Amino acid sequence: GESVGLHLPTLSVQEGDNSIINCAYSNSASDYFIWYKQESGKGPQFIIDIRSNMDKRQGQRVTVLLNKTVKHLSLQIAATQPGDSAVYFCAERPNQAGTALIFGKGTTLSVSS
Amino acid sequence: GAGVSQSPRYKVAKRGQDVALRCDPISGHVSLFWYQQALGQGPEFLTYFQNEAQLDKSGLPSDRFFAERPEGSVSTLKIQRTQQEDSAVYLCASSLGMNTEAFFGQGTRLTVV
Repeated sequence: GESVGLHLPTLSVQEGDNSIINCAYSNSASDYFIWYKQESGKGPQFIIDIRSNMDKRQGQRVTVLLNKTVKHLSLQIAATQPGDSAVYFCAERPNQAGTALIFGKGTTLSVSS
Repeated sequence: GAGVSQSPRYKVAKRGQDVALRCDPISGHVSLFWYQQALGQGPEFLTYFQNEAQLDKSGLPSDRFFAERPEGSVSTLKIQRTQQEDSAVYLCASSLGMNTEAFFGQGTRLTVV
């Protein structure tokens, strides 16, 4: 089974709203997490990352929250814009030497103006 | 170049044909990853290189898949005797180290007919 998954496959919001995209992970040994944005026909684009020794990290208009107790990760996008429309993936890296990122299935964010 | 470059962008192969997909990572990046992304799914790990050493090939789906990175820079993913189920986008990513931000290329969309 997959190690990382997202709660909702799609999310529709109005321009200017705040968006919250959720992700549940199952590997308690994971120590590094990343959110990626993927637009149609493009490769995943790094948004923000967080290590397991933190519970919150902020970037420009984005915040990632990590709750290790319930193994939950979320991405908050402030003042969502039409250009934010894309598929968002969370990814985890199990804390084992030589392992690569494990991706979930993704949430499609649609922003209407 | 400034980013990860993959070629070709699109490849159509007849079933049974061999294909080779190329990845030029960001200069100086030690780690290189190959992922396979089926339509509507998240990327699935195929294989990982640290310099020229292939440290993990556990994600390669069959012995028809082969990857190399002979000089620790450019990498080639080869698929022999392609099958329809090999149709997917093949993504390459590179990073400075194992636990640092991974940058993805735009991918090669392989269609087997």
